[in-house]
Amino acid sequence: DAKTTQPNSMESNEEEPVHLPCNHSTISGTDYIHWYRQLPSQGPEYVIHGLTSNVNNRMASLAIAEDRKSSTLILHRATLRDAAVYYCILTRYSGNTPLVFGKGTRLSVIA
Amino acid sequence: DARVTQTPRHKVTEMGQEVTMRCQPILGHNTVFWYRQTMMQGLELLAYFRNRAPLDDSGMPKDRFSAEMPDATLATLKIQPSEPRDSAVYFCASGSDRRRHEKLFFGSGTQLSVL
Repeated sequence: DAKTTQPNSMESNEEEPVHLPCNHSTISGTDYIHWYRQLPSQGPEYVIHGLTSNVNNRMASLAIAEDRKSSTLILHRATLRDAAVYYCILTRYSGNTPLVFGKGTRLSVIA
Repeated sequence: DARVTQTPRHKVTEMGQEVTMRCQPILGHNTVFWYRQTMMQGLELLAYFRNRAPLDDSGMPKDRFSAEMPDATLATLKIQPSEPRDSAVYFCASGSDRRRHEKLFFGSGTQLSVL
């Protein structure tokens, strides 16, 4: 599986937008970009995923670079409840391939 | 909301004892995954199933760990005998492969402490 690189940690002020970067320079044409997050003492939860086009859902937006070698998860207004570890994962997903988690980015939100 | 249920939430046991962790996947999901999380190693895949058949359990120590799906509503992960290095949080996740790139749903985990 292609690898992803994320900053170890980031900090944001409450109600400010947050841009969480992910580099995946070895991504292949069939790899999807998934984001999951893990809140304290909980299992990971799905945030968003995309292939080439930018994606929006109620939780976040995903901006994918034109060459697909990087992507950015955007939280439009960070809240204290968004403090979590955010994982960027590539999947050559046929439906059976498991998610392979890296170390992710620990996001701290300051009131 | 449908969710993955794991029991027990916490387990403290002594070295050498058998530990069984249970997972109830979301109804209708046909893929089940077991992960282990430690501070040092992060989230590691232990095993996964599709339609109750094991597809890959290469992440598990074979001599002491076993994973099964007795039926579509129950997945189990057993450790026998347990060792202190098995102390970790064990997560179960379920999904459906009937559509590509379906998201996975994770349970709240079983926190295992082996003394």
